[in-house]
Amino acid sequence: QAGLTQPPSVSKGLRQTATLTCTGNSNNVGNQGAAWLQQHQGHPPKLLSYRNNNRPSGISERLSASRSGNTVSLTITGLQPEDEADYYCSAWDSSLSVWVFGGGTKLTVL
Amino acid sequence: EVQLLESGGGLVQPGGSLRLSCAASGFTFSNYAMTWVRQAPGKGLEWVSSISDSGGNTFYADSVKGRFTISRDNSKNTLYLQMKSLRAEDTAVYYCAQDTGAFDIWGQGTMVTVSS
Repeated sequence: QAGLTQPPSVSKGLRQTATLTCTGNSNNVGNQGAAWLQQHQGHPPKLLSYRNNNRPSGISERLSASRSGNTVSLTITGLQPEDEADYYCSAWDSSLSVWVFGGGTKLTVL
Repeated sequence: EVQLLESGGGLVQPGGSLRLSCAASGFTFSNYAMTWVRQAPGKGLEWVSSISDSGGNTFYADSVKGRFTISRDNSKNTLYLQMKSLRAEDTAVYYCAQDTGAFDIWGQGTMVTVSS
């Protein structure tokens, strides 16, 4: 069960903008959309967005998600030290009837 | 407060069995599909298994199919994962998550270590 593709790491400066990407195929991201999760070291993941650009309550407006074809993106503006974390995308694969995750992107705020 | 609390993890020998539990509170458990996700030390998230709200439909990752069984008891607001024929590569923190088409709520996780 192949997963979604994410770059292993992204580094940006304080108050800059970071864009994380996640690529799947027409059976998962391209069909069902994707969700983004944030995980700080030693903590469980936290849902940031779902179905491409819906934010759960309490999630900062500095975060926005979008989709283009089989790729979804998470943009974080005005980077803060607390944004430094691992970010994962996830999607349901309707062809395989499985959930797939990306390998995760480690975001470093310089 | 919406909460998921996993239990049942521990140290087990290769080939052994373990049953994980996930106690739900603060929401109508029987209305939601549920999922188990694991994370090996220093690695990313890996989907393990999901179950529909009624328990009538179950789904498994290839890596655990035939060895793990997901189930739920809606009268007890509890999700289970029965794990058999455990391997070293099953060593991970196991999380349960509420599944609404995205993983909204997560437990704190329970550690499973498979080692002799």
